Parts: sequence; structure tokens; C-alpha cells
Amino acid sequence: EPEVTQTPSHQVTQMGQEVILRCVPISNHLYFYWYRQILGQKVEFLVSFYNNEISEKSEIFDDQFSVERPDGSNFTLKIRSTKLEDSAMYFCASSPGTAEKLFFGSGTQLSVL
Amino acid sequence: QQQVKQSPQSLIVQKGGISIINCAYENTAFDYFPWYQQFPGKGPALLIAIRPDVSEKKEGRFTISFNKSAKQFSLHIMDSQPGDSATYFCAAMAGNTPLVFGKGTRLSVIA
Repeated sequence: EPEVTQTPSHQVTQMGQEVILRCVPISNHLYFYWYRQILGQKVEFLVSFYNNEISEKSEIFDDQFSVERPDGSNFTLKIRSTKLEDSAMYFCASSPGTAEKLFFGSGTQLSVL
Repeated sequence: QQQVKQSPQSLIVQKGGISIINCAYENTAFDYFPWYQQFPGKGPALLIAIRPDVSEKKEGRFTISFNKSAKQFSLHIMDSQPGDSATYFCAAMAGNTPLVFGKGTRLSVIA
């Protein structure tokens, strides 16, 4: 069964460093998302991406965040200068059409020290 | 307005029992209500979903009950099994806007 894959599974970084989280969505999907889950908290929407541009973003997704689809398969989330509060599990998701059927990856656990 | 409030935070159920998780919302524009199941080390996976034009949807041992007037919906797991032990998230969306998730319920089914 096709699945969304994310790398790395764990990322430890120093505060102020840049990180890039990588995702390979399901191949025929058209919509791509990043969500995050701070330990013990709800899953929060960050950004959605369609047709090579951001379609919607939350207030969390400030200028420190960016997304890119550098080729036909990868979808990346970049955090330019990480803060302690960026520590969370980051989930990539994709859907074939509307946001009704999201397929999530297993996540990248980001720890900012 | 955009929140989905989920309870309880954690739940322990005996094997064979019924697990019930509740969610409430305020935004009357929400028109799609899915439940996601998340096992440790995995991302959430769509379990079952309902639209407000029906009051109940059943898939196997999983049932969503929906009360539009009360703006509440719940997940019932019949004959709960240890393999059902996971975190369950309710969610809601309006139109094609991003899903809004509840805080999750950690379910433990004990033998």
C-alpha cells in the first residue's frame, strides 16, 4: 500500500540552526500538508501546498518557515532559525483531492536544544 | 470558534467493553467530521468519518454518533480489543479548509 515517507525520523539541532524536514508524498496525490504535534498537545495545521504554491497557512507558519517541492517527488519544510518551542513531531500528509482523506507520514521528531 | 474539544484525555476499558470518546465544536460551518487513529511511532490514520446529514455511521466495531443540534459527535468502539489501544483524534473541517484536530484521547484496552 502506498504511504507517505518522512526523513529523518529524529532530528536534534541547536537553537538558531536551520533544519530541513523531508517528505515523499504518495505519488498521485495533488495536495500536500505539514502538521505538527507538540508533546501531549493536539495536531496543529501549519501549511497546505497545491500546484506548486502555498494554498493556506496558519499563524504558526511565520517567516521562519518555508516549504518547497524541489522535484516531482519531494516536499520539504525548512525552519530557518529554530527556537526551543519548535520542538515537536512534524507530520507530512498528502491527499488525492480534497482535504477529506489525508494520508499522514510517521513524522519527524524535532528536538531543539 | 475553530476549536474542537475532545474528552476524555485518557480512557481505560476492559477487553470486550465499549469505548466512548466525545467531541464538541462551535463552528456551524463544519461539514465533515473524521476520526483518526494513531499508534505509537506512526502518523494519524483515517478511521471513520461522518457528514452532518446523517446521525450515525457504522463501520465494523466503530460507530460515529452525530448530534447536530448539540454540536457534538462521538466515537463508539464496540467489543474493544487490546489492538485498539491507540490515541484517537476527532477532527472537523468546513468546505476544503484544513482539518482542525482535537487534543486526542489515549485509549488503553486491558485484558
